[in-house]
Amino acid sequence: GAVVSQHPSWVICKSGTSVKIECRSLDFQATTMFWYRQFPKQSLMLMATSNEGSKATYEQGVEKDKFLINHASLTLSTLTVTSAHPEDSSFYICSAHRRHRNQPQHFGDGTRLSIL
Amino acid sequence: GNSVTQMEGPVTLSEEAFLTINCTYTATGYPSLFWYVQYPGEGLQLLLKATKADDKGSNKGFEATYRKETTSFHLEKGSVQVSDSAVYFCALTPLASGNTPLVFGKGTRLSVIA
Repeated sequence: GAVVSQHPSWVICKSGTSVKIECRSLDFQATTMFWYRQFPKQSLMLMATSNEGSKATYEQGVEKDKFLINHASLTLSTLTVTSAHPEDSSFYICSAHRRHRNQPQHFGDGTRLSIL
Repeated sequence: GNSVTQMEGPVTLSEEAFLTINCTYTATGYPSLFWYVQYPGEGLQLLLKATKADDKGSNKGFEATYRKETTSFHLEKGSVQVSDSAVYFCALTPLASGNTPLVFGKGTRLSVIA
């Protein structure tokens, strides 16, 4: 079964709205979560690395004030797209690394964001 | 820097055909290599992995061998099914630990027709 839950799976909203996406690790602690963005028919681009209890590390070109990341607990990271515009429409995917385990990351099912 | 190059698609095959999707990488040190699969409208699922040279990852009839001499990790399957239709991503992390972000190739879309 799924070990990483991402919610919502699909959201449609008006331009100017802020949208929060949750990424939860189920039954394990994740000190590090990653947020990726995927444009249609393209690969995943890393947006930021989210570390529990500290500020996220953003990749070059990603606006910190636009994409707010909070990793308040060992099982939850949130990505808030503030004042979303049509160009923010995309597929957002999170992944989580299981603490104390040398294993590949587990991915959520993604969130399809459509801004009208 | 680290990068992954995989063959561009789309790839269209008949059921039971042989599949090869090429993947080469550039990395410093000894990266771990992965193949992920993305079915329509879904997130990524780990298909297989290899963490050191000459390792062979395998799952669901798919195989890939970590070739350090050619910096390659080609994905193969002897007989594809319609249900294998998806987008396949080759990826690497520079360290064996999963606590580093993945670097992805551009993805290869596979369509299998009955």
